[in-house]
Order: sequence, then structure tokens, then C-alpha cells
Amino acid sequence: DAMVIQNPRYQVTQFGKPVTLSCSQTLNHNVMYWYQQKSSQAPKLLFHYYDKDFNNEADTPDNFQSRRPNTSFCFLDIRSPGLGDAAMYLCATSRDGMQQETQYFGPGTRLLVL
Amino acid sequence: RKEVEQDPGPFNVPEGATVAFNCTYSNSASQSFFWYRQDCRKEPKLLMSVYSSGNEDGRFTAQLNRASQYISLLIRDSKLSDSATYLCVVNRNNNDMRFGAGTRLTVKP
Repeated sequence: DAMVIQNPRYQVTQFGKPVTLSCSQTLNHNVMYWYQQKSSQAPKLLFHYYDKDFNNEADTPDNFQSRRPNTSFCFLDIRSPGLGDAAMYLCATSRDGMQQETQYFGPGTRLLVL
Repeated sequence: RKEVEQDPGPFNVPEGATVAFNCTYSNSASQSFFWYRQDCRKEPKLLMSVYSSGNEDGRFTAQLNRASQYISLLIRDSKLSDSATYLCVVNRNNNDMRFGAGTRLTVKP
């Protein structure tokens, strides 16, 4: 059974057209993360939620926003996608975000910007 | 300097070979270490945690050297199904997981 679900798996958008990526989890984990991964690069953490507490990485552009309306769902909003935002976007969860915990990843959404 | 650095690869090895990957990290306060596996166009999946004393899981052995800030992964008797990218992951603090760019492995018949 899928534990971290991302929709859609592939998303095509136009330059500057807002887009929302979705993540849901059945693990009842407190922490949800969003990563951006470009080809042959490491996943880069954009931000995370501990419950309703939002934590932004210092170098995450303002163009990227997130919402977590409840424990199960978390959204990534890209307000004005640029060509450089084309990437795989990975959602992950962990129970409490403690150092020794692993993170469980969803299958990712591959974003293409035209 | 990147916070987590790995052998760039690619490693191309025959079936049955033993292959080793290295990883160094820059933050000496890091406490937890992992190896993840990522197949092409798929999500990362946990392969194994890395403990101070070293640990083994079947054909896979992970070692940690805190003094040198160095982590390794050894794969014995390589299988075709081991072909993937192996990501070294360092947890600096709570909710602060840093990934290496990965080492690509191709196991050939």
C-alpha cells in the first residue's frame, strides 16, 4: 500500500503559470518535507512542516510556497514557474523529524516548464 | 565545498564484483548517517542506516569514521538489480537531512 502519494506524477506548466503539486500520507507522521531534485543532483530541501509549524530553508526562493491543511496533506505552490524550476519534486515524511529517523519518500512529481 | 561529497562515478562493474563507495561530510556535528538507493526517475529509498560500529545487511556493509568524517558502502557479489544511484545522507540535526549528489552504479552481465 502506498504510504506517501504524490499527484500528479507528471506536470507540464507554462512559464509564469502558477502550479500546485500535491502530497498525501497514510503514515500519520508529524513531519512533511518538500525537496527539489534536478538531474544528477542531490535532493535539495525546500521546506518542511512539523505539524502546522512551517520551516523554510534560508535559500528557498519566495516563488515556492507550501500549505498543510491537515496532517495528511501538504501542497507545494510555485507561484510563477521559470524554466529553471523544471525538476523532480519529492515529498517525504518522518514521524517526528528526529535525527535517527528515516524519511519516507513519495514517487515524486516531475515538473516540466514550457 | 559541498556539505556531503561522494565519488562521482559512474561505476561499471561485472556481476559478482565487489564495489565500494565513499562519502565525506563537512559538518562535524552530524549525528546520523544513511545510505539511500535511487533508481532512475524514482524516489530515494532507504538502503541502510550507518552506525558508529559499522553494520552489515546481507551483501551490504556500511562503515563510519567520525574522526575523518567519512562514510563508506561496500557491496559484495554485485547483482544486476543493484544498478542504481546510491545517495549518501547526513542528518545534521532534527529535520536537517543533507544528501550527496549520488554515485551511479551499473552492474553488467
